[in-house]
Amino acid sequence: SQTIHQWPATLVQPVGSPLSLECTVEGTSNPNLYWYRQAAGRGLQLLFYSVGIGQISSEVPQNLSASRPQDRQFILSSKKLLLSDSGFYLCACRTGLAGGLGGELFFGEGSRLTVL
Amino acid sequence: GQQLNQSPQSMFIQEGEDVSMNCTSSSIFNTWLWYKQDPGEGPVLLIALYKAGELTSNGRLTAQFGITRKDSFLNISASIPSDVGIYFCAGQRGSNYQLIWGAGTKLIIKP
Repeated sequence: SQTIHQWPATLVQPVGSPLSLECTVEGTSNPNLYWYRQAAGRGLQLLFYSVGIGQISSEVPQNLSASRPQDRQFILSSKKLLLSDSGFYLCACRTGLAGGLGGELFFGEGSRLTVL
Repeated sequence: GQQLNQSPQSMFIQEGEDVSMNCTSSSIFNTWLWYKQDPGEGPVLLIALYKAGELTSNGRLTAQFGITRKDSFLNISASIPSDVGIYFCAGQRGSNYQLIWGAGTKLIIKP
């Protein structure tokens, strides 16, 4: 089964500084990869998803960007952080067959970002 | 973004009680998923449902895919302290495989 690694686990950054969160996946190939953000006590907001190397789709306009330089690597970045970027960022992976079966998402442990 | 209607928002229960939560939508889904999230961790998949009317159990957890394909419920029997956390439903429709999420049900067990 797949394993999803995220780092760093915790990050405190000043406003205006850059950001790089990394996600790597083991145990599968050609997965769909996702970045979600979760505000405190809230649900999950999809930020980006990728169906392959170099293919990024953005769900909401924002201060963040994503890149997929390798099949099992997904990076979330920002050039200048805003206070509103604080939150819990989750990387997720989807594997399985087309047609609906195996459409489950599996999540990493998350990266908590605090922007001060 | 678009969300499922998940209720209740939170639940205070006594240890040993049964728990029930549900998600509803005005749209038809072809997959329903239930996740649990512990504080500071990523959500973990509990149960996946793929057919209308399907009833699936995972230990003390039971979930059903509504016959209309517009709803799903999750039951937890004989709750224990480690059941505390936030439970999310997620639905998938069409062929784009993107999930639509409920806002979560926070389960709290009274001491």
